Amino acid sequence: DTEVTQTPKHLVMGMTNKKSLKCEQHMGHRAMYWYKQKAKKPPELMFVYSYEKLSINESVPSRFSPECPNSSLLNLHLHALQPEDSALYLCASRQVPSSGRYNEQFFGPGTRLTVL
Amino acid sequence: GENVEQHPSTLSVQEGDSAVIKCTYSDSASNYFPWYKQELGKRPQLIIDIRSNVGEKKDQRIAVTLNKTAKHFSLHITETQPEDSAVYFCAASSIGAAGNKLTFGGGTRVLVKP
Repeated sequence: DTEVTQTPKHLVMGMTNKKSLKCEQHMGHRAMYWYKQKAKKPPELMFVYSYEKLSINESVPSRFSPECPNSSLLNLHLHALQPEDSALYLCASRQVPSSGRYNEQFFGPGTRLTVL
Repeated sequence: GENVEQHPSTLSVQEGDSAVIKCTYSDSASNYFPWYKQELGKRPQLIIDIRSNVGEKKDQRIAVTLNKTAKHFSLHITETQPEDSAVYFCAASSIGAAGNKLTFGGGTRVLVKP
């Protein structure tokens, strides 16, 4: 399996809802990433997990809460979001340690989130 | 932190012509430079990458060049085809740094006209 999968594909939520995004990979990658991508913009890094531990938080508001329950799964818990949080949320994974050709980040198809 | 500038923001070429996209980076510690292609509604996909110990890399119609001294790198697509139409992102990273964080350029929307 050489893919990163994400569920759901689309999500519409109100500002008072709690929802979760899920990301899964079975490539044995031990680094996993959450990115936010607004229309016509590049992906912006949110969080990095390395060996299931949070290694980078790019000053993301606490209404976004990441979780890495095991080496194959990455979740993003959402609570009290704002309309400006509407975006495509991309998950990515990478083999670690990086050496030789093992630098590529593999992206999932994303979850398109709309906050009403 | 790292800052990556990408030009042009849009590029229209005739089928069969070449396309060139240029990026500059600010952090001399960056040593890995991937290029991603993102079609409308799809995920970013790596098309080619280069490490700082190499000046040029080629894969069929795609080539990337790196000038470490000047801190810039470029993507060259030859014999463009309509399926090359997409948004292309350059990125820079420091391998070995915590998390191998990618910093992306602003993107180039490429349109190949038949």
